[in-house]
Amino acid sequence: GNSVTQMEGPVTLSEEAFLTINCTYTATGYPSLFWYVQYPGEGLQLLLKATKADDKGSNKGFEATYRKETTSFHLEKGSVQVSDSAVYFCALSDQGGANSKLTFGKGITLSVRP
Amino acid sequence: DTEVTQTPKHLVMGMTNKKSLKCEQHMGHRAMYWYKQKAKKPPELMFVYSYEKLSINESVPSRFSPECPNSSLLNLHLHALQPEDSALYLCASSHRLRGQAFSGANVLTFGAGSRLTVL
Repeated sequence: GNSVTQMEGPVTLSEEAFLTINCTYTATGYPSLFWYVQYPGEGLQLLLKATKADDKGSNKGFEATYRKETTSFHLEKGSVQVSDSAVYFCALSDQGGANSKLTFGKGITLSVRP
Repeated sequence: DTEVTQTPKHLVMGMTNKKSLKCEQHMGHRAMYWYKQKAKKPPELMFVYSYEKLSINESVPSRFSPECPNSSLLNLHLHALQPEDSALYLCASSHRLRGQAFSGANVLTFGAGSRLTVL
């Protein structure tokens, strides 16, 4: 079955530091890949997505590239802000049919200190 | 309108109570979902409705009863819950194509959640 593996957390960074959060996946076929973010006390928001190999998703200074050869979708940001403190979930969705489902990684908590 | 609205935001109930969680969207999405999220864990899928019909039930106990009265509304009826059912319940919606393989990214829009405490 499909699975998503995220690096262990939590991660604590100083403001303006570089961020990398690793995500690898196992899936059959050609899944779509996502990063969702959950701010404290809120639901999940889509941060970015990629639907095919070599696609780069980007939003709010975050980027991730769909690497089929390494089955990875690592999240990066060049300069984090305190407001980026949240839980980040990597996820994949298979491409098939009416019952396609979203598979989440365990999530990682990012804390950014001033 | 690009939101999924969930009510109530907080709910405290006893194990003998009957209550309901409600979810509403006006984006024209024809797939709606219930997820359960425990603290510091990813969301776990409970139910999926596609075109107002239940298409996925992830072996959820019968004390949780979903209902989709129309294409904009999704309810979760709660009865005889246990303290371990305390969690954040998230509703989501997405586009869904009828009768053919979904060829695009199935992007889910989530609500802010209903935080349930069972005493």
